[in-house]
Amino acid sequence: DTGVSQDPRHKITKRGQNVTFRCDPISEHNRLYWYRQTLGQGPEFLTYFQNEAQLEKSRLLSDRFSAERPKGSFSTLEIQRTEQGDSAMYLCASSLNGVSDSPLHFGNGTRLTVT
Amino acid sequence: QQQVKQSPQSLIVQKGGIPIINCAYENTAFDYFPWYQQFPGKGPALLIAIRPDVSEKKEGRFTISFNKSAKQFSLHIMDSQPGDSATYFCAASLYSGYALNFGKGTSLLVTP
Repeated sequence: DTGVSQDPRHKITKRGQNVTFRCDPISEHNRLYWYRQTLGQGPEFLTYFQNEAQLEKSRLLSDRFSAERPKGSFSTLEIQRTEQGDSAMYLCASSLNGVSDSPLHFGNGTRLTVT
Repeated sequence: QQQVKQSPQSLIVQKGGIPIINCAYENTAFDYFPWYQQFPGKGPALLIAIRPDVSEKKEGRFTISFNKSAKQFSLHIMDSQPGDSATYFCAASLYSGYALNFGKGTSLLVTP
């Protein structure tokens, strides 16, 4: 399968702990996005990268959140000092910049539960 | 602030019916309007997309109608099937491959 891969699929953590998620985009895609989706809502944009550069961050991305894409390939999203309000599905997507009508391809997400 | 408003929240149709999902947007700079389909436990998958220079686009059983002056667009699913039961999201962005603004979703159930 050459789609977007996310790991882990599920994560249960206690409030106050740090968690890290990984995303492997489609190999030739140079843009990578992180979204958050809560139950009954559409995905909300968090941040995106072009190659290794983080180009935009949403106001939703508090100081406890940090994302990296060190070599322009896979990306990690870390949440420090997790809160119950962080419980959500975290979706990663990738696309190919510079190609007309290149859509976002989403992974199946990491579901985070903060207890 | 919700940049894309979607309705209805849920929809039930019989097999063969034509569910219609509507979306409205505010930002006239939006230039790309995709629809995504999401099944439980999966990420959203692109169904069909349109640009504001066309009023209608059809791919298989899925049709987007676009009204630029009203800043509205809608998804029609022809000859709906139980396998179409899923959540549908409209979205908008400044251009394809850029960050998407999603609606809140419509949960569609197609009964046999």
